[in-house]
Amino acid sequence: EVQLVQSGAEVKKPGESLKISCKGSGYRFTSYWIAWVRQMPGKGLEWMGIIYPGDSDTRYSPSFQGQVTISADKSISTAYLQWSSLKASDTAMYYCARHGGAARPLDYWGQGTLVTLSS
Amino acid sequence: SYLLTQPPSVSVAPGKTARITCGGYNIGSKGVHWYQQKPGQAPLLVIYYDSDRPSGIPERFSGSNSGNTATLTVSRVEAGDEADYYCQVWDSSSDHQVVFGGGTKLTVL
Repeated sequence: EVQLVQSGAEVKKPGESLKISCKGSGYRFTSYWIAWVRQMPGKGLEWMGIIYPGDSDTRYSPSFQGQVTISADKSISTAYLQWSSLKASDTAMYYCARHGGAARPLDYWGQGTLVTLSS
Repeated sequence: SYLLTQPPSVSVAPGKTARITCGGYNIGSKGVHWYQQKPGQAPLLVIYYDSDRPSGIPERFSGSNSGNTATLTVSRVEAGDEADYYCQVWDSSSDHQVVFGGGTKLTVL
């Protein structure tokens, strides 16, 4: 059974750093892209970027380039999304999803990680 | 960048048919995927490549895509179908990225 399990909810202060994770199981982790998707409170889905754990090839949405870093550790089947300096506007739910690449769908999703910024 | 336009809301009575549209320039030349998101849950793939259903998705969910409009059709709507629905394509232009529509709230009256 394919599963993506994300790390737990976080409460942080503006300016702090953060790294959240997404662990894949039930499939060959290195053969599929992992996408990260943001959902701000009451809003729609926004694609942030993707990584191919097989060779760490990474692509970013122009909207998120330079704002976050996507990485992966294939030895433990885990992808990461990190911020070096959080902003209040980063408050959102963040989902990871398995992506077959290019025009293929996002066929399995993690349960989401809620990131809340509070001063 | 490529834009996808969805109506913010669609309402339908139980047992009737709901149609949710997704507009985009020449979208008929792209593969469209649809996701269902219920409150407090992660999105769920319900239609892929315009009209294919993943295992476990009821036959009541179907899709079509032609010209500048893709459509998700939910037949014999049930109360449990009430959710937000998002269309998605791959933008193969210079950006090479996943693009989502703004989402449509399906309300079952």
